[in-house]
Amino acid sequence: SYELTQPPSVSVSPGQTARITCSADALPKQYAYWYQQKPGQAPVLVIYKDSERPSGIPERFSGSSSGTTVTLTISGVQAEDEADYYCQSADSSGTYGVFGGGTKLTVL
Amino acid sequence: EVQLVQSGAEVKKPGESLKISCKGSGYSFTSYWIGWVRQMPGKGLEWMGIIYPGDSDTRYSPSFQGQVTISADKSISTAYLQWSSLKASDTAMYYCARHEGVAAGSFDYWGQGTLVTVSS
Repeated sequence: SYELTQPPSVSVSPGQTARITCSADALPKQYAYWYQQKPGQAPVLVIYKDSERPSGIPERFSGSSSGTTVTLTISGVQAEDEADYYCQSADSSGTYGVFGGGTKLTVL
Repeated sequence: EVQLVQSGAEVKKPGESLKISCKGSGYSFTSYWIGWVRQMPGKGLEWMGIIYPGDSDTRYSPSFQGQVTISADKSISTAYLQWSSLKASDTAMYYCARHEGVAAGSFDYWGQGTLVTVSS
C-alpha cells in the first residue's frame, strides 16, 4: 500500500530552524497536511494544502512542496514545539488517505 | 464551536464485538466527512476510513477494509466505529476527526480519543 516517508527524529536548539521532510511518489498530485501531537493529546493540524496555516497556528510554522517531497519548517523553534509531527496525504487516485510514520522533534 | 465528543474507554476480551461513538456539534454534521484514526501504543497515526453522514458514502484504507465498519446516524449527529470480533492487536487509541473533502483532505477538528483495550 501507499506510504509517506519521514525521518524518525530531528533535533534542534532553541531559536534555530527545524525542517521535517515527507516524501512519496504521489505528492506532486495530492496535497499534504501536517499535524503536531504532544504526549497524551490529540493531534492538531498545523499546515493544510501544503503551505496554508490554520488560524491560531503561530507564523513560525510553514510548509512547502517540491516534487515528491514536502517540508514542514519551524522557524525560531521554542521548547513548546517539542512533539511528534506527522504528514498526511492521499494515494495517487485520491481513494484513501495515509499518514507518514511520524518525526519526533527534540528541542535540545 | 466545533466539538467531537467520543465515548469512553473500553476493556474487552478477544472475540467480543464493540461499537464506539463520536458525536459532533457546532457545525452541519451532514456536510462534512468524518473519519477514524488509529494509534497503537507508542506508535504513529493510521488513517482508517471516512464517512459522509449526508449519504453514508464510506471510504476505507486497504489496511482496514473488512476489519472494521464505519457508520453514522445523522439524526443524532453521531459516527461509529465497529468491530465484530476483536483481537488483541486492536488495542489502541482511536480518534474521530472531521475530514475536509474526500480522501485527499485534512482532519481539522479532533475528538479526545477512545482507548480500546483487548485482553483475555
